[in-house]
Amino acid sequence: EAQVTQNPRYLITVTGKKLTVTCSQNMNHEYMSWYRQDPGLGLRQIYYSMNVEVTDKGDVPEGYKVSRKEKRNFPLILESPSPNQTSLYFCASSLVGSETQYFGPGTRLLVL
Amino acid sequence: DAKTTQPPSMDCAEGRAANLPCNHSTISGNEYVYWYRQIHSQGPQYIIHGLKNNETNEMASLIITEDRKSSTLILPHATLRDTAVYYCIVRRRNTGTASKLTFGTGTRLQVTL
Repeated sequence: EAQVTQNPRYLITVTGKKLTVTCSQNMNHEYMSWYRQDPGLGLRQIYYSMNVEVTDKGDVPEGYKVSRKEKRNFPLILESPSPNQTSLYFCASSLVGSETQYFGPGTRLLVL
Repeated sequence: DAKTTQPPSMDCAEGRAANLPCNHSTISGNEYVYWYRQIHSQGPQYIIHGLKNNETNEMASLIITEDRKSSTLILPHATLRDTAVYYCIVRRRNTGTASKLTFGTGTRLQVTL
């Protein structure tokens, strides 16, 4: 089944404790992206990647890192999480040039 | 990308057509109208997109006015599973560069028995 998977789905952590949210897709998509969703603000793009080893900042990249060592994986790294990074995070992927993006199920993060 | 305006919420009876409007008065000639929906904190789901002609697929129909300043998403026979937040997005066609989707706050559609 074609899908985008994220892990973990739920995470509670404390300020400053490094964490990684994984994202994987099995559709051989070149393009992958991370969004965060907050009440009243819609979805905002954090980082995106056009292909392996090619990443770039979105609208709200501060406090986040990404890497794209393999085509199927695009982990989101929070080196030193802070409470303002409490949010619902979505990973998405698509073929370059395609009009359709496929979203993962979301990761709900709470930073205390 | 052009800004869109949608009503914050709408209700629809199950089995009836749901008509969701979207205003995009600043749309430019090379911008498309896209619709996505999000069912209760799940990942957004693509529905349909169009440039100027009306479009239909297995999920919905998209009606774009002749001046392209507004559009309507039509779910012909709404079911309870269509209860979701619907997002209207206007942007240039994906040419292979940044494929960012800019979501606003959308319309919360509640389908009732």
